[in-house]
Amino acid sequence: GDSVTQMEGPVTLSEEAFLTINCTYTATGYPSLFWYVQYPGEGLQLLLKATKADDKGSNKGFEATYRKETTSFHLEKGSVQVSDSAVYFCALSDRTGGFKTIFGAGTRLFVKA
Amino acid sequence: DTAVSQTPKYLVTQMGNDKSIKCEQNLGHDTMYWYKQDSKKFLKIMFSYNNKELIINETVPNRFSPKSPDKAHLNLHINSLELGDSAVYFCASSQGTSVGDTQYFGPGTRLTVL
Repeated sequence: GDSVTQMEGPVTLSEEAFLTINCTYTATGYPSLFWYVQYPGEGLQLLLKATKADDKGSNKGFEATYRKETTSFHLEKGSVQVSDSAVYFCALSDRTGGFKTIFGAGTRLFVKA
Repeated sequence: DTAVSQTPKYLVTQMGNDKSIKCEQNLGHDTMYWYKQDSKKFLKIMFSYNNKELIINETVPNRFSPKSPDKAHLNLHINSLELGDSAVYFCASSQGTSVGDTQYFGPGTRLTVL
């Protein structure tokens, strides 16, 4: 079945450091890929998404490119801020997997001032 | 106006009790979901309704029963609560069931079973 694997956390960075959170997936169809972010005490919210191969999703300085050849959707940001401290979830949605969205285990990011 | 709202935000109860969590969305979406998030932040789908019809029913104990009185509401009733039911429960909604649809999450209900 479909699955999402993302790097284990926590990831601890200093402010203005470069961020990469790795995400790889397995899917039988042609999935859409998402990054959701969960700030402390809140629900998840969409950060960015890509619906077909080679698409790049971007938002708030974060970027991720849908790489079909490597089945990856790595999240990057050039310069993190303390306010980026949160849990980041990679997810996929694939019609052949039913109507479900499959979430990765989440990666907690701490950014120090 | 809050897009997806849940009540209550916190729920503390004894083992064996029955409790309900309510969810409402004002986005005009057709599809709603219930997720369970455990203490390690792992998120698991429980149920989904599309236009009041059940479309996802994952392997959850039959003590959990969802009810969708209309498209804007999806409630979760839990009978005979157990310690292992302690978690944060999230309601979410999406426009439909297309693979590219974004899900909008509520703020969560933290359930603690003593």
